[in-house]
Amino acid sequence: GIQVEQSPPDLILQEGANSTLRCNFSDSVNNLQWFHQNPWGQLINLFYIPSGTKQNGRLSATTVATERYSLLYISSSQTTDSGVYFCAVSSTGTASKLTFGTGTRLQVTL
Amino acid sequence: GAVVSQHPSRVICKSGTSVKIECRSLDFQATTMFWYRQFPKQSLMLMATSNEGSKATYEQGVEKDKFLINHASLTLSTLTVTSAHPEDSSFYICSVPRQSSTLEQFFGPGTRLTVL
Repeated sequence: GIQVEQSPPDLILQEGANSTLRCNFSDSVNNLQWFHQNPWGQLINLFYIPSGTKQNGRLSATTVATERYSLLYISSSQTTDSGVYFCAVSSTGTASKLTFGTGTRLQVTL
Repeated sequence: GAVVSQHPSRVICKSGTSVKIECRSLDFQATTMFWYRQFPKQSLMLMATSNEGSKATYEQGVEKDKFLINHASLTLSTLTVTSAHPEDSSFYICSVPRQSSTLEQFFGPGTRLTVL
């Protein structure tokens, strides 16, 4: 099946700093989503982005499908951004089943 | 986005008992729902696809007789962990795909199962 790797695995930032999280995948995809998992375990949808670029406030994401990677940008980070960020993909022909990446654990400090 | 609920949010049970977890799609009908499992400090792993009106399909390595799935209606899927053991302790999360031109999925808040 499709492989999904995220980097870095862990990231510590001071409040106000910017960061880039990366997601590499091993096959063509028809769905790519970025999620933020909060401390209570809830997955919060950040972006649905199988290709192209989107922005939502301090967050933006870019997927280059032909090169099989996606990037999540967090600008002016806040302590509430702390948590685990996952990308998840479904490859063509897998009936929307999502394969999750390994995750990036982000801690934003004061 | 879609609204998905799960019940219960947390359950503690004795080894050998069965536990039922409900997943409801509150704002649209879903012919398909997905069940995932997440162990501490790990990523989410797909367990099975719940299909309204037909049998669930299970991922490799997931025992269908242990994890019973029933898609009772277009808004409700249930996962029953039968004869639970401590190794079944985990965070169980369901998802619902948006019924539109996109494939975006929305997740429930999860159920934390602890088997003593």
